[in-house]
Amino acid sequence: QVQLQESGPGLVKPSETLSLTCAVSGYSISSGYYWGWIRQPPGKGLEWIGSIYHSGSTYYNPSLKSRVTISVDTSKNQFSLKLSSVTAADTAVYYCASSPIVGAVDYWGQGTLVTVSS
Amino acid sequence: DIQMTQSPSSLSASVGDRVTITCQASQDISNYLNWYQQKPGKAPKLLIYDASNLETGVPSRFSGSGSGTDFTFTISSLQPEDIATYYCQQYDNLPPRYTFGQGTKLEIK
Repeated sequence: QVQLQESGPGLVKPSETLSLTCAVSGYSISSGYYWGWIRQPPGKGLEWIGSIYHSGSTYYNPSLKSRVTISVDTSKNQFSLKLSSVTAADTAVYYCASSPIVGAVDYWGQGTLVTVSS
Repeated sequence: DIQMTQSPSSLSASVGDRVTITCQASQDISNYLNWYQQKPGKAPKLLIYDASNLETGVPSRFSGSGSGTDFTFTISSLQPEDIATYYCQQYDNLPPRYTFGQGTKLEIK
């Protein structure tokens, strides 16, 4: 059973870079699966940020593509999100997620709230 | 880009009622449509995948149907523990891309 746990700062200043990490247990990232990030602003709906395949191929939401980088660290069995030039609109609960194939998201982290504020 | 229109945005129903939520895609997405349940403070939980397949362990009162552009999610007999927000989600394979509906908040009347 894949288990995911997000970690990172809960407060980021405007114009800075948001950085989060998702630790994976129960499965080796290098074995396969898609690994990604989904966010949810307070009181609002879900937005897919992007995904990375275990091979390193990345896929991003076109609306965020210029600011997003997702990477994998197989040695630590974790993957990461970097979102640059953040504004208050990036305040959200950020979930890491995974699935064996493109399609339904089978596994979710518990989510971590990131607030963008000075 | 494919847009997903989910309705209604909120719904109040009584225990035992049949509840229906719809999701419409802006173009044909075949059966590339999933349904999730999200309870307050929790991550979404997959209920239905590929339009009509019940995820393992999910009660049979939940069901999904549709293909192309029009999809329906049904709870056959509403239970108190079904109070949550429900989301549809479409996906593209090439390249991988996901879009969620706006959500339907379900409350007990």
